[in-house]
Parts: sequence; C-alpha cells; structure tokens
Amino acid sequence: GENVEQHPSTLSVQEGDSAVIKCTYSDSASNYFPWYKQELGKRPQLIIDIRSNVGEKKDQRIAVTLNKTAKHFSLHITETQPEDSAVYFCAARSLGADKLIFGTGTRLQVFP
Amino acid sequence: EAGVAQSPRYKIIEKRQSVAFWCNPISGHATLYWYQQILGQGPKLLIQFQNNGVVDDSQLPKDRFSAERLKGVDSTLKIQPAKLEDSAVYLCASSYSGGTPDTQYFGPGTRLTVL
Repeated sequence: GENVEQHPSTLSVQEGDSAVIKCTYSDSASNYFPWYKQELGKRPQLIIDIRSNVGEKKDQRIAVTLNKTAKHFSLHITETQPEDSAVYFCAARSLGADKLIFGTGTRLQVFP
Repeated sequence: EAGVAQSPRYKIIEKRQSVAFWCNPISGHATLYWYQQILGQGPKLLIQFQNNGVVDDSQLPKDRFSAERLKGVDSTLKIQPAKLEDSAVYLCASSYSGGTPDTQYFGPGTRLTVL
C-alpha cells in the first residue's frame, strides 16, 4: 500500500525567511497530493493541493512542487510570518482509491 | 457553508468503558471519513462511507470499533471496550463525492482520553 514519508519533523525559521517541507510517496499510481495545516487544538485545514498532471502550483506565499519521476513533492512557504506556525501534513491519494495517506507532520515555528 | 460538526469535543473515560462519537458532515457531501490521530502523528483512516455504504474499513479494529451511517448523513463511531492506546483525537471529514480527488473537509475532532 501507499506510504508517505515527511521531513523534517520540526523546522524553525526566522520571520521573513522561507520554509520547505518535503514528502516522498511509494505508490507511483498516486495522483493527488494535498497539504493540510493544523494549528494547536484545531482541525486540519487544506492550504494547497496538486494533481499529478501539474508540476507546480502557487497560491500567494505558498507553492507546491511535484516530481513524479522521483516520487516526491514539496511545500514552499515564502516570507514566513508568525501565524504560519503550525503542524503541516502532506498526504497522497492513489489512483482508484479514495483514502488519503498522511505523512507524520512537520512542526513549523516562525520566530519574530 | 456550515462545516463538519462533531460532538463531544472532549471525552475522558476509564479503560474497558464504552464511548460514542457523532459527526454531521457538510450538507450534500456523500463521502464521510473517520480518522484517528494519535499525538504527534498524522491522521490515520479508520473507515470511509459513501452515502450509507462502507467503502473502506480495512484499518478499523473491528473487535472493538464500530461505525454506522444509517441514513447516509450523520454518523457515529463507537469504541467498546476502550483501551489505553485508544487515546487520540478522532477526526471526521467529508467530501462531495469521493469519486475523483475531492477536497476533504475536517471537523474539529473529539479528543478522547482513556485512563
């Protein structure tokens, strides 16, 4: 079955710097890759997603890149702000299956 | 648009007791998911419903966990009897159809503590 690995587990950056979180997946048939942000004690919220027919997607300060050959995808946050501090989860969904397989999460801390 | 509703938000029980969680998905969403999120880990799917039918329950510990979605709308997840390792946040999510990659919207979760 699908397996998703996420790195790093924690990431500390200075406000204004960029942050990059990387995930790898095992199932080459995976075709959908969402990223969720979860603040302490709150629900996971989708921040951006990408489908396998696209290599990159950007939404203001957030971008996701996908390398299907290497089976990895990354979240890029530019000009980080303290409110970006949260746990970020990547996930992958296989073609023909409905369920998402989540990574183990990255705790991002942005220091003022 | 109202979000996914869950209750209760918190529950503390002793091991071997039973507990039930309730979820009401976003109106019109045919697919409903129950996830278990252990502290420090990503959500793990327990069961997925499409309307009132089970699509995937391969990761549901069926000796103690059960779930139903009788009318294809709201759903309940039950644990009986609870074990210490069941302490986690139980998240409910819903999506429009589930047939193509659809956004899953999560509820606030129920934090279960088993003593």
